[in-house]
Amino acid sequence: DIQMTQSPSSLSASIGDRVTITCRANETIRKYLNWYQWKPGKAPKVLISSASNLRSGVPSRFSGSGSGTDFSLTISSLQPEDFATYYCQHMFIAPYTFGQGTKLEIK
Amino acid sequence: QVQLQESGPGLVKPSQTLSLTCTVSGGSINSGGYYWSWIRQHPGKGLEWIGYISDSGRTKYKPSLKSRVTISTDASKSQFSLRLRAVTAADTAFYYCARDDTTGLFDNWGQGTLVVVSS
Repeated sequence: DIQMTQSPSSLSASIGDRVTITCRANETIRKYLNWYQWKPGKAPKVLISSASNLRSGVPSRFSGSGSGTDFSLTISSLQPEDFATYYCQHMFIAPYTFGQGTKLEIK
Repeated sequence: QVQLQESGPGLVKPSQTLSLTCTVSGGSINSGGYYWSWIRQHPGKGLEWIGYISDSGRTKYKPSLKSRVTISTDASKSQFSLRLRAVTAADTAFYYCARDDTTGLFDNWGQGTLVVVSS
């Protein structure tokens, strides 16, 4: 299975901050990488598909980049509703695997 | 807007079979163009893809779980189900159903249900 390593595992930041979460695959996955947002008690939400495609309805402060083995999710200016847990996931080939998650907390 | 909702027992005894159902509303499970998936998250740990079923009934499972897993559909009820046999405490997890757009992108999820394996 392809292993996904996400960092950091947790992050404290303030409203208005720019934050970046990274995700690394242990072999190339080209651009087959998605980012999800998880909030307690809610269904997970896909933010970014294929490394950099912003999903419909997702605020433009979210962006994704990368290809091959190294990827990142950036939130340009944190809003209160952005405090959540974020996961990367490869879709290069089944079995699909996820990163361990990054919990974004208010400083 | 398609919505998915998991249901099933929250407690299963070791060696028995875990059975969960996902009800899909706001769309047809037979509409084509999607795979219907199960994903789990062990408490405090990462997410694990379990497998999917297509609208034609084709299935694909995670190899390490393949011998114990069956995913099936009941289109008349707009439901798909997960059966995991011979469970152990290691199968205690939050179980999520999700829609896969056939590329491996999970574009709709249920809210998840906790299943505890314990005697």
